[in-house]
Amino acid sequence: DSGVTQTPKHLITATGQRVTLRCSPRSGDLSVYWYQQSLDQGLQFLIQYYNGEERAKGNILERFSAQQFPDLHSELNLSSLELGDSALYFCASSATTSGDTDTQYFGPGTRLTVL
Amino acid sequence: AQKVTQAQTEISVVEKEDVTLDCVYETRDTTYYLFWYKQPPSGELVFLIRRNSFDEQNEISGRYSWNFQKSTSSFNFTITASQVVDSAVYFCALRHTNAGKSTFGDGTTLTVKP
Repeated sequence: DSGVTQTPKHLITATGQRVTLRCSPRSGDLSVYWYQQSLDQGLQFLIQYYNGEERAKGNILERFSAQQFPDLHSELNLSSLELGDSALYFCASSATTSGDTDTQYFGPGTRLTVL
Repeated sequence: AQKVTQAQTEISVVEKEDVTLDCVYETRDTTYYLFWYKQPPSGELVFLIRRNSFDEQNEISGRYSWNFQKSTSSFNFTITASQVVDSAVYFCALRHTNAGKSTFGDGTTLTVKP
């Protein structure tokens, strides 16, 4: 158990809908990262937050947004869902954002299925 | 740009065989971190090891060992006396020290048959 929790574990929804994925980092970790794992794209970095502020952005679509709250949990919002958004979404956390404490520990993932 | 290549898409071995998973990376950075993660059939990503770019010491942890060679930009992972429970997808990843993201390889699917 990495100490990172994600809810829900599975999510099935329809095209055009909006969903919210939730992540709680390991105790004491300030950085939260979101990744998408799909069959055709592999593991892709989406976005990083550090202590409530956006720190880095990857291949995140405009239909997707995220935030990190004062208690350090994070939410990833996916809207106007398309079939191609079906994937496993991982949250990871690390103590800081650089240096020796930046090992990312991953949560169990949320499997999103868009029908 | 950073890139991680895991040329072996799938490997199949029989239990107790040794197996090496290859990882080759590209980066212009002088300081960076390399990682290996394991993704068992249950789907979670399990951290295995981190190696700093300035530390080329090889590491052994039980049946696992890692060989880091900066001269060839490789960070290979060997499982000795493989077991069925080692069956999983293994990912190699690269991260610059001050970057937010990790760049992952496409993964190697290891199947260990009894």
